[in-house]
Amino acid sequence: SQKIEQNSEALNIQEGKTATLTCNYTNYSPAYLQWYRQDPGRGPVFLLLIRENEKEKRKERLKVTFDTTLKQSLFHITASQPADSATYLCALVKDTGGFKTIFGAGTRLFVKA
Amino acid sequence: GAVVSQHPSRVICKSGTSVKIECRSLDFQATTMFWYRQFPKQSLMLMATSNEGSKATYEQGVEKDKFLINHASLTLSTLTVTSAHPEDSSFYICSARDATGGGNEQFFGPGTRLTVL
Repeated sequence: SQKIEQNSEALNIQEGKTATLTCNYTNYSPAYLQWYRQDPGRGPVFLLLIRENEKEKRKERLKVTFDTTLKQSLFHITASQPADSATYLCALVKDTGGFKTIFGAGTRLFVKA
Repeated sequence: GAVVSQHPSRVICKSGTSVKIECRSLDFQATTMFWYRQFPKQSLMLMATSNEGSKATYEQGVEKDKFLINHASLTLSTLTVTSAHPEDSSFYICSARDATGGGNEQFFGPGTRLTVL
């Protein structure tokens, strides 16, 4: 069955450091992959999208890589700030036979001042 | 970016009652809306895909007679939890896809916290 794995343990880092979150998937061939931020009691907020033929995408302090051979995506936040503390969700999207998104359980990030 | 609203944000009801949750796309037309359920510390689980003017497509294991979905217009979809029970207590989130111009982004609502006593 299709599976998306994100590190269930919280990631604690110091302000200013780079946070790296991992998303691994099995039995799935996504058209593209997305990363979302979710704060407690709120809906997810879209951050970045990377397509299967792209290796890397950047947006301000965010960087996403996508390795379809390893079936893995890495999400980096550089120069992290306490305001970056949230849960980050990885989502895989297939756009054949209907648009469908499957989410990982997310990784909680804590950035200490 | 596009905005999706949900109403109500929080609802508490007695067991056996029905609850309706509204999802609106405020500044774009959404031909497709999605309903998710999220339990604490778990991922969003897709319940159903709603297409304007047609019947919703439910995911395996989701009872269509219990979770009634209506997508009557391009900006509004509703989810009705019928005869709610305590195990239906969860965080319900809708999202809408703005497919104009070939866009693929999903915009999520703020969620509705349902507590069934």
